[in-house]
Amino acid sequence: AQSVTQLDSQVPVFEEAPVELRCNYSSSVSVYLFWYVQYPNQGLQLLLKYLSGSTLVKGINGFEAEFNKSQTSFHLRKPSVHISDTAEYFCAVSDGDDKIIFGKGTRLHILP
Amino acid sequence: SQTIHQWPATLVQPVGSPLSLECTVEGTSNPNLYWYRQAAGRGLQLLFYSVGIGQISSEVPQNLSASRPQDRQFILSSKKLLLSDSGFYLCAWSVRDATKFGNGTRLTVT
Repeated sequence: AQSVTQLDSQVPVFEEAPVELRCNYSSSVSVYLFWYVQYPNQGLQLLLKYLSGSTLVKGINGFEAEFNKSQTSFHLRKPSVHISDTAEYFCAVSDGDDKIIFGKGTRLHILP
Repeated sequence: SQTIHQWPATLVQPVGSPLSLECTVEGTSNPNLYWYRQAAGRGLQLLFYSVGIGQISSEVPQNLSASRPQDRQFILSSKKLLLSDSGFYLCAWSVRDATKFGNGTRLTVT
């Protein structure tokens, strides 16, 4: 069975500092990996996804994530955060044919 | 292009009242459909998913139910709401690696 672990429920970061949101997954088959963002009072929006190929995936709003198969991780990074990045971020895994499983989310707080 | 419609956007219901949230999809055939709930501080929880008409899998035992009367329609229901049913409900569809979410319904049970 697939599962997703987001190790940090909340991450405070100063504005313009770099950030890494951690995600680890477990799956017995090949996976698709996703990061979604939910801004306050809005639905989910896809940030980026890994399907195959290059392990470094670039997404919207300057975010990127790296797929590491040996460590079963898919951490999300941004070199310099902005106040508008305040949101909740969800990592998700899917095998493509079955259900999508989400992590519990990481709330990113940007400090002025 | 594919779109997903979810309504209503917000809903306030008294305890013990029934619930019906509807989600419809356009621009795709035979999608997997999902209902998720986001409760405060608990992240997203998969409630139901469906791989076809009339096929519903329940992930969490509760007083909610789901139905898929048509290929692109997914309904979340309850006969009697509980206070603990309050939360943000998201409908989603997926076809292979493509996924889209509705805008969600914020349900407050009073």
